[in-house]
This record gives sequence, structure tokens and C-alpha cells, in this order.
Amino acid sequence: DPKIIQKPKYLVAVTGSEKILICEQYLGHNAMYWYRQSAKKPLEFMFSYSYQKLMDNQTASSRFQPQSSKKNHLDLQITALKPDDSATYFCASSQDEQYFGPGTRLTVL
Amino acid sequence: GEQVEQRPPHLSVREGDSAFITCTYTDPNSYYFFWYKQEPGASLQLLMKVFSSTEINEGQGFTVLLNKKDKRLSLNLTAAHPGDSAAYFCAVSALGGSALGRLHFGAGTQLIVIP
Repeated sequence: DPKIIQKPKYLVAVTGSEKILICEQYLGHNAMYWYRQSAKKPLEFMFSYSYQKLMDNQTASSRFQPQSSKKNHLDLQITALKPDDSATYFCASSQDEQYFGPGTRLTVL
Repeated sequence: GEQVEQRPPHLSVREGDSAFITCTYTDPNSYYFFWYKQEPGASLQLLMKVFSSTEINEGQGFTVLLNKKDKRLSLNLTAAHPGDSAAYFCAVSALGGSALGRLHFGAGTQLIVIP
């Protein structure tokens, strides 16, 4: 059974729209993260949360907003989508080392 | 901030040969080091973590070397087989994999093992 679930696996959006990427982990970890992987840049850290509180933030744009409704959930809301936002977004969780989810591949047209 | 350089970006080896990948980092406070494997269209699979007190770690079919003096981390796949074909990423953290420890990734190495 998958321990880190990300939904959806693929997502196509139009420029200017808003989408929410879902992440749930069943590893019992207290910390969760978002990373982005695109063709243009290496894997980039975006956010880290611990016990549902923001611990670290690398994303410059306020269009990216993490949301944690439960300890094992960390969703990512992206508003005013741009074609440059096209990437695969990975959720991760950790107690010591970080384990990654399967990713959501976002394409913005 | 931390800069991680990974080389080579692409590597082709014949089955049975060794594949050697190296990362250098800049932050002397970096303390935790990781290697991940990513197969096409898949997520990142943790291969090994290395901590500052460890210089050499051996896994199944690979060896990881850490040289803190040179700020260098290496992955050596011994006797590579076609199933090793994937992208490999090093990752570095000053604070470990816990709540505060963002990972800084290298750009990745695309490894092809030719049968």
C-alpha cells in the first residue's frame, strides 16, 4: 500500500486558474515538505511543515500556499497559474530521512 | 546558500562496469548526505543516507564515499546492471531530514547501463 498519496497524478490547467495538489502520508511522520521538479531546474525545495506549522519557505511567490488540515495532510494551493509553473510537484515526509510521494505532474497551458 | 554540483550529467556504462557519480557542496555546515534514485516517471527512492561521522557506506551493489575535507560525496555503482538505469540525485542538508532540514539537490545524473 502506498504510504504517501498524492492526488491527482496528472493535472492540466489553463493559465490564470487555481488548483490544489493533495498530499497525505501514512508513515506517522511529523514533518512534511513540498518540492518541485522541472526540466529547467533541479529538484527545488518549496516548503516544510512540522506539526502543521510552517517551518521553512523557499518559494518567493505568494501564489503558492500550503494548507495543512490534519497532521498527515499537506496540500498545495496554486493560484493564478502560469505556464512556468508546469512541473512535477513532490510531497515528502520525514522522521529522519525524507521519503517522497509519487508526484503530481502539472501542465499549465 | 548551499550549492550542490553533481557530475556527470549523463553517464553510459556497459553491464558489469562501474558507474561513478560525484557531488560537491559548498556549505561547511552540511552534515547529512543522501543519494536518491529516480526511474522514469517515478518518484525518488532513497538509496542511502550518510552522516558526518561516516566516510564509507556500502549498500546493495553500491558504495558511498564522503570526504568532508573536500566537501565531496560520491556514489559508485559496482557491477552495474540494466536495472540500475535511472536518474541519480545527491542531496545535502545542514539539519538532517527532520522538520528543519530542507534538502539541496544536485542536478542529477542520467545513468544508462548497456546490456
